[in-house]
Amino acid sequence: DAGITQSPRYKITETGRQVTLMCHQTWSHSYMFWYRQDLGHGLRLIYYSAAADITDKGEVPDGYVVSRSKTENFPLTLESATRSQTSVYFCASSESTSMNTEAFFGQGTRLTVV
Amino acid sequence: AQSVTQPDIHITVSEGASLELRCNYSYGATPYLFWYVQSPGQGLQLLLKYFSGDTLVQGIKGFEAEFKRSQSSFNLRKPSVHWSDAAEYFCAVGEGAQKLVFGQGTRLTINP
Repeated sequence: DAGITQSPRYKITETGRQVTLMCHQTWSHSYMFWYRQDLGHGLRLIYYSAAADITDKGEVPDGYVVSRSKTENFPLTLESATRSQTSVYFCASSESTSMNTEAFFGQGTRLTVV
Repeated sequence: AQSVTQPDIHITVSEGASLELRCNYSYGATPYLFWYVQSPGQGLQLLLKYFSGDTLVQGIKGFEAEFKRSQSSFNLRKPSVHWSDAAEYFCAVGEGAQKLVFGQGTRLTINP
């Protein structure tokens, strides 16, 4: 199916465990993003990537690791999950960096850290 | 630094009534402004965007927004809401997709 998909949709993990959230897009968009959504904060950018093997920090990168070995995939890893990382995570992609570029969002992953 | 404020956390309107969702921004240059909608359990969908030109922007699903530079506002409007408009709405400002700053969101409830 065309579009951007995230997996899993729901995940419960324990404090201290490593967990990876997957994001896959079929458009060959250059840019990909990870946001977290928390009540009262809207969406905040965690990391983004301009192309394969190019990543950069966003507003709230601490505790997260990303990689982008292939254009279509952009996994987000929590190396040692903490309760404060309980959130809804959204992946997005966009075609370019031009001013009128639209970002397309996945359906989100709801992560609970217990 | 860029920031976006959506003063209303939750708004309830009756079906068929008009709607206005407020958005105020702080930005040092000409802003690029967006409204996104998030239906329950779904990702974000772009409703409309403003980059330049006409300050009244038309979007999908019958929504429009007006950019007012003097008030640093970009309010979203719809003349007559439908039950399917119940969702969370996010205003965002940025220089293209990679530098979006989102507001806190406004949850819209529709009374039958």
